[in-house]
Amino acid sequence: SYELTQPLSVSVALGQTARITCEGNNIKNKDVHWYQWKPGQAPVLVMFRESTRPSGIPERFSGSASENTAALTINAAQVGDEADYYCQVWDSTTVVFGGGTKVTVL
Amino acid sequence: QVHLVESGGGVVQPGRSLRLSCVASGFTFRSYGMHWVRQAPGKGLEWVAVISYDGSEKYYGDSVKGRFTISRENSKNTLFLQMNSLRVEDTAVYYCASVLIRGVILDAFGFWGQGTMVTVSS
Repeated sequence: SYELTQPLSVSVALGQTARITCEGNNIKNKDVHWYQWKPGQAPVLVMFRESTRPSGIPERFSGSASENTAALTINAAQVGDEADYYCQVWDSTTVVFGGGTKVTVL
Repeated sequence: QVHLVESGGGVVQPGRSLRLSCVASGFTFRSYGMHWVRQAPGKGLEWVAVISYDGSEKYYGDSVKGRFTISRENSKNTLFLQMNSLRVEDTAVYYCASVLIRGVILDAFGFWGQGTMVTVSS
């Protein structure tokens, strides 16, 4: 079965850049989606199909992918960006989530 | 504004059944595929099942295949998850979520509900 690997945590200084990675075999050939999850709130789609931002998501969020690694980048990180972030792909007719990355803004 | 409200969670003994519901509002429910996703305590997200906008296609995660059934009643804007032969490891918060784009399944998750807790314990 297909697997996605994310770092458990990423720390970033206020105003600096955070990069969250999602590793998977030939992930470049898949549509990668990213979700932000804050405690007590419903998850929010922050990036879809690798690099498309839904309406309402700040331009500070961007997405990219190379052969085996997709990434969500948060520029000028703010306290409000603290959350868990999950990547997600489809593998045939199965949804696969990464294990999630906790982003801490220092 | 899109709202997805799950209900039906609770405490149930292993081997028993439970039926979850998700009532949708604020969008054309009958045009969108819908998912169930769960999160066990202290764990990450696990996909459970998806159903197409018209109910003609259904896919399940390996851990629930043969035990859980996803269905929908478009006239009532409601999604269901029938959970049979429940196991302790099914304990989780269960979320319903819509597919981002109408008419398709293999896409991102658009909107999510707040979840309903299911505890399987003797």
